[in-house]
Amino acid sequence: DTGVSQNPRHKITKRGQNVTFRCDPISEHNRLYWYRQTLGQGPEFLTYFQNEAQLEKSRLLSDRFSAERPKGSFSTLEIQRTEQGDSAMYLCASSLDGTDTQYFGPGTRLTVL
Amino acid sequence: QKEVEQDPGPLSVPEGAIVSLNCTYSNSAFQYFMWYRQYSRKGPELLMYTYSSGNKEDGRFTAQVDKSSKYISLFIRDSQPSDSATYLCAMRIDKIIFGKGTRLHILP
Repeated sequence: DTGVSQNPRHKITKRGQNVTFRCDPISEHNRLYWYRQTLGQGPEFLTYFQNEAQLEKSRLLSDRFSAERPKGSFSTLEIQRTEQGDSAMYLCASSLDGTDTQYFGPGTRLTVL
Repeated sequence: QKEVEQDPGPLSVPEGAIVSLNCTYSNSAFQYFMWYRQYSRKGPELLMYTYSSGNKEDGRFTAQVDKSSKYISLFIRDSQPSDSATYLCAMRIDKIIFGKGTRLHILP
């Protein structure tokens, strides 16, 4: 399978704990995006990388959230001191520079108790 | 007013019917229009995209954009139970803005 992969698929954590999610984009894609989707809503943009550079961050991305893409391949999204409001599906997408088509992964569903 | 408005449904139609899904938008700077399909507990899958006003057809799916009215539509012909999913309209200038999605049920 050469699509976008995300791990873990599900994460249940207690409020106040830190969590980290991983995204592996399609191999030749240099752009990588993170979105958050809550029940009954469309995905909301969080941040995106072109290669290893983080070029844009949404105001939704509070200082408890940090994303990295150290070698321009896979990316991690960390949430520190999780809150119940962080419960959502976290989606990763990738695209090739110069194209407009983003391909989404299956998402990581986070539940904060 | 949200930038992209989409009726969340649910919309239930009998198998074989023509389905019409719609979105309106407020920002005339949007240049690229997309429809995604999302099955339960899965990521969105791109169905169709277009840059211009008019119709674009792909098999049973037709995407329609009316920039003068700021209105986009997706038509599904000969609908099948496997089309049951949430359909998200999306559009972009730099980043993608999604509608809430319309839940569609095709009744066998």
